[in-house]
Amino acid sequence: EAQVTQNPRYLITVTGKKLTVTCSQNMNHEYMSWYRQDPGLGLRQIYYSMNVEVTDKGDVPEGYKVSRKEKRNFPLILESPSPNQTSLYFCASSLARSFNSPLHFGNGTRLTVT
Amino acid sequence: RKEVEQDPGPFNVPEGATVAFNCTYSNSASQSFFWYRQDCRKEPKLLMSVYSSGNEDGRFTAQLNRASQYISLLIRDSKLSDSATYLCVDYLNSGGYQKVTFGIGTKLQVIP
Repeated sequence: EAQVTQNPRYLITVTGKKLTVTCSQNMNHEYMSWYRQDPGLGLRQIYYSMNVEVTDKGDVPEGYKVSRKEKRNFPLILESPSPNQTSLYFCASSLARSFNSPLHFGNGTRLTVT
Repeated sequence: RKEVEQDPGPFNVPEGATVAFNCTYSNSASQSFFWYRQDCRKEPKLLMSVYSSGNEDGRFTAQLNRASQYISLLIRDSKLSDSATYLCVDYLNSGGYQKVTFGIGTKLQVIP
Protein backbone atom coordinates (compact mmCIF):
# COMPACT_ATOMS: atom_id res chain seq x y z
CA GLU A 1 0.00 0.00 0.00
CA ALA A 2 1.32 3.43 -1.00
CA GLN A 3 1.79 5.48 2.10
CA VAL A 4 3.72 8.03 4.13
CA THR A 5 4.59 6.75 7.59
CA GLN A 6 5.38 9.06 10.48
CA ASN A 7 6.50 8.07 13.93
CA PRO A 8 5.69 8.58 16.67
CA ARG A 9 2.02 9.60 16.55
CA TYR A 10 2.20 11.26 19.95
CA LEU A 11 5.22 12.62 21.76
CA ILE A 12 5.50 14.47 25.04
CA THR A 13 8.92 15.78 25.93
CA VAL A 14 10.65 18.41 28.02
CA THR A 15 12.37 21.58 26.93
CA GLY A 16 15.84 21.01 25.55
CA LYS A 17 15.72 17.27 25.05
CA LYS A 18 16.65 16.47 21.47
CA LEU A 19 14.10 14.51 19.48
CA THR A 20 13.61 13.13 15.99
CA VAL A 21 10.34 12.51 14.18
CA THR A 22 10.75 10.00 11.39
CA CYS A 23 9.04 10.07 8.02
CA SER A 24 9.23 7.40 5.35
CA GLN A 25 7.43 7.02 2.01
CA ASN A 26 7.26 3.99 -0.28
CA MET A 27 6.15 5.74 -3.48
CA ASN A 28 9.59 6.69 -4.81
CA HIS A 29 8.65 10.37 -4.54
CA GLU A 30 11.36 12.95 -5.06
CA TYR A 31 9.65 15.70 -3.07
CA MET A 32 9.17 15.51 0.68
CA SER A 33 8.24 18.21 3.16
CA TRP A 34 7.38 18.91 6.76
CA TYR A 35 4.53 21.09 7.98
CA ARG A 36 3.30 22.21 11.33
CA GLN A 37 -0.34 23.01 11.95
CA ASP A 38 -1.49 25.37 14.66
CA PRO A 39 -4.98 26.72 15.42
CA GLY A 40 -5.68 29.90 13.49
CA LEU A 41 -2.47 29.60 11.47
CA GLY A 42 -3.12 26.64 9.22
CA LEU A 43 -0.41 24.47 7.72
CA ARG A 44 2.99 26.11 7.53
CA GLN A 45 5.95 24.58 5.77
CA ILE A 46 9.06 23.96 7.86
CA TYR A 47 11.47 22.38 5.40
CA TYR A 48 11.25 20.63 2.09
CA SER A 49 13.45 18.46 -0.09
CA MET A 50 13.39 18.18 -3.85
CA ASN A 51 15.58 15.07 -3.87
CA VAL A 52 18.33 13.21 -2.02
CA GLU A 53 20.83 15.58 -0.37
CA VAL A 54 18.77 18.61 -1.46
CA THR A 55 16.90 20.45 1.31
CA ASP A 56 15.52 23.98 1.60
CA LYS A 57 13.91 26.12 4.25
CA GLY A 58 10.20 26.65 4.21
CA ASP A 59 8.33 29.43 5.96
CA VAL A 60 9.11 28.50 9.59
CA PRO A 61 12.47 26.65 9.72
CA GLU A 62 13.83 28.12 12.97
CA GLY A 63 14.52 25.47 15.59
CA TYR A 64 14.33 22.55 13.17
CA LYS A 65 16.75 20.49 11.11
CA VAL A 66 16.19 17.91 8.41
CA SER A 67 18.25 15.50 6.38
CA ARG A 68 17.65 13.58 3.17
CA LYS A 69 20.27 10.86 2.93
CA GLU A 70 17.91 8.41 1.24
CA LYS A 71 15.01 9.04 -1.08
CA ARG A 72 12.45 7.37 1.14
CA ASN A 73 13.31 9.02 4.48
CA PHE A 74 13.06 12.62 5.64
CA PRO A 75 13.46 12.91 9.42
CA LEU A 76 12.66 16.11 11.31
CA ILE A 77 15.06 16.93 14.12
CA LEU A 78 14.48 19.28 17.02
CA GLU A 79 17.88 19.79 18.63
CA SER A 80 16.54 21.74 21.62
CA PRO A 81 12.74 21.71 21.66
CA SER A 82 10.89 24.60 23.23
CA PRO A 83 7.23 24.97 24.27
CA ASN A 84 6.45 27.08 21.18
CA GLN A 85 7.18 24.00 19.08
CA THR A 86 4.19 22.25 20.59
CA SER A 87 2.13 21.54 17.51
CA LEU A 88 0.70 18.97 15.12
CA TYR A 89 3.31 17.97 12.54
CA PHE A 90 2.73 16.43 9.13
CA CYS A 91 5.16 14.94 6.68
CA ALA A 92 4.15 14.83 3.01
CA SER A 93 5.56 13.62 -0.29
CA SER A 94 4.83 13.97 -3.99
CA LEU A 95 6.36 13.61 -7.43
CA ALA A 96 8.56 16.68 -7.79
CA ARG A 97 8.31 17.24 -11.51
CA SER A 98 4.59 16.94 -11.99
CA PHE A 99 2.47 20.07 -11.81
CA ASN A 100 -0.56 18.07 -10.89
CA SER A 101 0.96 15.65 -8.44
CA PRO A 102 -0.87 15.95 -5.13
CA LEU A 103 0.74 15.70 -1.72
CA HIS A 104 0.41 12.48 0.24
CA PHE A 105 0.42 13.09 3.97
CA GLY A 106 1.46 10.99 6.91
CA ASN A 107 -0.91 10.51 9.85
CA GLY A 108 0.64 13.33 11.84
CA THR A 109 2.68 13.62 15.02
CA ARG A 110 1.24 15.50 17.94
CA LEU A 111 4.16 16.98 19.86
CA THR A 112 3.91 18.54 23.31
CA VAL A 113 6.94 20.27 24.77
CA THR A 114 6.67 21.13 28.47
CA ARG B 1 -1.70 40.02 2.35
CA LYS B 2 -1.68 36.25 2.80
CA GLU B 3 -0.62 34.25 -0.23
CA VAL B 4 -3.72 32.06 -0.07
CA GLU B 5 -6.80 33.42 1.67
CA GLN B 6 -9.87 31.55 2.79
CA ASP B 7 -12.78 32.40 5.03
CA PRO B 8 -12.26 30.13 8.04
CA GLY B 9 -16.01 29.88 8.71
CA PRO B 10 -17.53 27.88 10.26
CA PHE B 11 -20.25 27.43 7.69
CA ASN B 12 -23.24 25.65 9.20
CA VAL B 13 -25.55 24.32 6.50
CA PRO B 14 -28.53 21.96 6.58
CA GLU B 15 -28.30 18.54 5.02
CA GLY B 16 -29.12 18.71 1.32
CA ALA B 17 -28.00 22.30 0.89
CA THR B 18 -25.60 23.56 -1.72
CA VAL B 19 -22.56 25.36 -0.35
CA ALA B 20 -19.73 27.17 -2.09
CA PHE B 21 -16.29 28.20 -0.86
CA ASN B 22 -13.93 30.63 -2.48
CA CYS B 23 -10.22 30.99 -2.06
CA THR B 24 -8.02 33.78 -3.42
CA TYR B 25 -4.34 33.54 -4.23
CA SER B 26 -1.82 36.32 -4.66
CA ASN B 27 0.91 34.75 -6.82
CA SER B 28 -0.10 34.99 -10.46
CA ALA B 29 2.71 32.53 -11.33
CA SER B 30 1.11 29.71 -9.35
CA GLN B 31 0.61 26.78 -11.66
CA SER B 32 -1.65 24.27 -9.99
CA PHE B 33 -4.40 24.34 -7.45
CA PHE B 34 -6.02 21.74 -5.26
CA TRP B 35 -8.71 21.30 -2.69
CA TYR B 36 -7.89 19.09 0.26
CA ARG B 37 -10.22 17.85 2.94
CA GLN B 38 -9.14 17.54 6.55
CA ASP B 39 -11.12 15.84 9.26
CA CYS B 40 -10.52 16.86 12.83
CA ARG B 41 -6.92 16.12 13.91
CA LYS B 42 -6.29 13.93 10.89
CA GLU B 43 -4.08 14.33 7.87
CA PRO B 44 -5.27 16.36 4.87
CA LYS B 45 -6.42 14.27 1.94
CA LEU B 46 -6.73 15.31 -1.67
CA LEU B 47 -10.32 16.09 -2.63
CA MET B 48 -9.75 17.29 -6.16
CA SER B 49 -7.44 19.15 -8.47
CA VAL B 50 -8.68 22.43 -9.93
CA TYR B 51 -8.54 23.17 -13.64
CA SER B 52 -9.35 26.35 -15.55
CA SER B 53 -12.00 24.49 -17.49
CA GLY B 54 -13.64 23.42 -14.25
CA ASN B 55 -13.92 19.87 -13.06
CA GLU B 56 -16.62 17.85 -11.42
CA ASP B 57 -16.50 14.77 -9.25
CA GLY B 58 -19.93 13.63 -8.20
CA ARG B 59 -21.41 16.30 -5.96
CA PHE B 60 -18.24 18.39 -6.00
CA THR B 61 -17.31 20.99 -8.59
CA ALA B 62 -14.08 22.97 -8.61
CA GLN B 63 -13.34 26.03 -10.70
CA LEU B 64 -10.32 28.23 -11.31
CA ASN B 65 -10.52 31.87 -12.36
CA ARG B 66 -7.01 33.02 -13.26
CA ALA B 67 -8.07 36.55 -14.21
CA SER B 68 -9.45 37.20 -10.74
CA GLN B 69 -7.04 34.82 -9.01
CA TYR B 70 -9.52 32.71 -7.13
CA ILE B 71 -10.60 29.13 -6.97
CA SER B 72 -13.92 27.80 -5.84
CA LEU B 73 -15.45 24.61 -4.53
CA LEU B 74 -19.14 23.83 -4.82
CA ILE B 75 -20.75 21.02 -2.87
CA ARG B 76 -24.24 20.00 -3.88
CA ASP B 77 -26.70 18.01 -1.78
CA SER B 78 -24.55 18.27 1.35
CA LYS B 79 -24.22 15.14 3.48
CA LEU B 80 -23.43 14.91 7.17
CA SER B 81 -20.21 13.18 6.15
CA ASP B 82 -19.11 16.32 4.29
CA SER B 83 -18.47 18.02 7.63
CA ALA B 84 -14.76 18.79 7.61
CA THR B 85 -12.29 21.56 6.96
CA TYR B 86 -11.55 22.29 3.30
CA LEU B 87 -8.06 23.52 2.47
CA CYS B 88 -7.21 25.47 -0.64
CA VAL B 89 -3.68 24.86 -1.96
CA ASP B 90 -1.60 26.53 -4.62
CA TYR B 91 1.52 25.11 -6.17
CA LEU B 92 4.45 26.74 -7.90
CA ASN B 93 7.38 24.95 -9.50
CA SER B 94 10.03 27.14 -11.07
CA GLY B 95 13.57 26.11 -11.97
CA GLY B 96 13.80 23.40 -9.34
CA TYR B 97 12.17 25.54 -6.68
CA GLN B 98 8.85 24.24 -5.48
CA LYS B 99 6.44 26.06 -3.22
CA VAL B 100 3.22 24.65 -1.88
CA THR B 101 1.04 27.11 0.01
CA PHE B 102 -2.01 26.18 2.05
CA GLY B 103 -4.92 28.36 2.98
CA ILE B 104 -6.03 28.35 6.59
CA GLY B 105 -9.01 26.16 5.71
CA THR B 106 -12.77 26.64 5.72
CA LYS B 107 -14.71 24.66 8.27
CA LEU B 108 -17.99 23.14 7.11
CA GLN B 109 -20.56 21.70 9.48
CA VAL B 110 -23.53 19.97 7.88
CA ILE B 111 -26.40 19.72 10.32
CA PRO B 112 -29.37 17.34 10.22
